[in-house]
Amino acid sequence: GAGVSQSPSNKVTEKGKDVELRCDPISGHTALYWYRQSLGQGLEFLIYFQGNSAPDKSGLPSDRFSAERTGGSVSTLTIQRTQQEDSAVYLCASSLMGIDNQPQHFGDGTRLSIL
Amino acid sequence: DQQVKQNSPSLSVQEGRISILNCDYTNSMFDYFLWYKKYPAEGPTFLISISSIKDKNEDGRFTVFLNKSAKHLSLHIVPSQPGDSAVYFCAASLRSGAGSYQLTFGKGTKLSVIP
Repeated sequence: GAGVSQSPSNKVTEKGKDVELRCDPISGHTALYWYRQSLGQGLEFLIYFQGNSAPDKSGLPSDRFSAERTGGSVSTLTIQRTQQEDSAVYLCASSLMGIDNQPQHFGDGTRLSIL
Repeated sequence: DQQVKQNSPSLSVQEGRISILNCDYTNSMFDYFLWYKKYPAEGPTFLISISSIKDKNEDGRFTVFLNKSAKHLSLHIVPSQPGDSAVYFCAASLRSGAGSYQLTFGKGTKLSVIP
């Protein structure tokens, strides 16, 4: 498809397990962002990629969270030793990079539930 | 500290009338503002944006107004249609020191357009 694709759409796992979330951005978009939306909260920035590098990781809430991007395209967000407070919708967005701001386009998210 | 505020959690408007959604921000360094529309179980969909050097941007039925001195922006939808019923998020960005344009979101306003 032409949009941002995320998988899985839903993930239920037990506390303490590791999870991996995947994002396939729009073709040609060099900038990639991960956000999360917890219940009753607005979207919260996690990490930004420009190409394969992540110059801004300032939003990652703990060292249990990590992300990588390979080939300047697909990105994975990994949460180790999941906790119940990690339950949220995790959203990925991509955009063109240029001199001016470009709108970010979002996928439909992964709804993560930690039991 | 919420840097982007949408003070109305919900709004009901009659079909054909104007919908006005409001947003206030506190960080004067924000230089790009966006409105997103979100349906349940889907990611936010980009609607319209405005740069801080402008005070108005129009796209079809959607117009965004920016008042920098008041740190206020609004989205006007006219005429409103039942299909416009969704949650609308205001977002703002600035270029971080790490080069990202991470978005800061409000908590959203749920618009209901009554046929």
